[in-house]
Amino acid sequence: DAGVTQSPTHLIKTRGQQVTLRCSPKSGHDTVSWYQQALGQGPQFIFQYYEEEERQRGNFPDRFSGHQFPNYSSELNVNALLLGDSALYLCASSSNGPFYGYTFGSGTRLTVV
Amino acid sequence: RKEVEQDPGPFNVPEGATVAFNCTYSNSASQSFFWYRQDCRKEPKLLMSVYSSGNEDGRFTAQLNRASQYISLLIRDSKLSDSATYLCVVNGGGSNYKLTFGKGTLLTVNP
Repeated sequence: DAGVTQSPTHLIKTRGQQVTLRCSPKSGHDTVSWYQQALGQGPQFIFQYYEEEERQRGNFPDRFSGHQFPNYSSELNVNALLLGDSALYLCASSSNGPFYGYTFGSGTRLTVV
Repeated sequence: RKEVEQDPGPFNVPEGATVAFNCTYSNSASQSFFWYRQDCRKEPKLLMSVYSSGNEDGRFTAQLNRASQYISLLIRDSKLSDSATYLCVVNGGGSNYKLTFGKGTLLTVNP
């Protein structure tokens, strides 16, 4: 049973560029959440997708956008990259409901130079 | 007040020691609570859910006090392999679906 898969694993981009990160949820999960984790910090919530819509959003600017597809997979897009966007980006999937923990992918490590 | 606050750490303990992690949360509407473990440069992994009655999984015991909005994790007979960052995690409750993570507490178990 495949867990959460993310691609790519590592990425180096230049300031001002755009990036797209991809996530396939664990089989049976229909909810996808994206998190940003800076070094030494806990993961910070970016947004959550359910039924192909953004259901909830954290305190991130509009440069961060996403999408969920009918097969529940998801993309995270970041425009006009800043140096401060360098972080580990984690995708987490779960079943819908408040009592389910998340299963995380191994993340995409983004470096903006 | 931060949504989820944890002991800043780091904790350095010898093998076999008992270590306790503490966490407080600000949203009284939160409905579910978890402890995650994160190894260096890896993704967080669910260690255990935390229930109001308290729950145990082998050497790990989790407690929840809703009145005090306090969560704890106790590790007994610590092993070298327990070395990791422990993250306290709380859901928002109601229509607040997200899981909020604490900053994490680094544990190093020494031989």
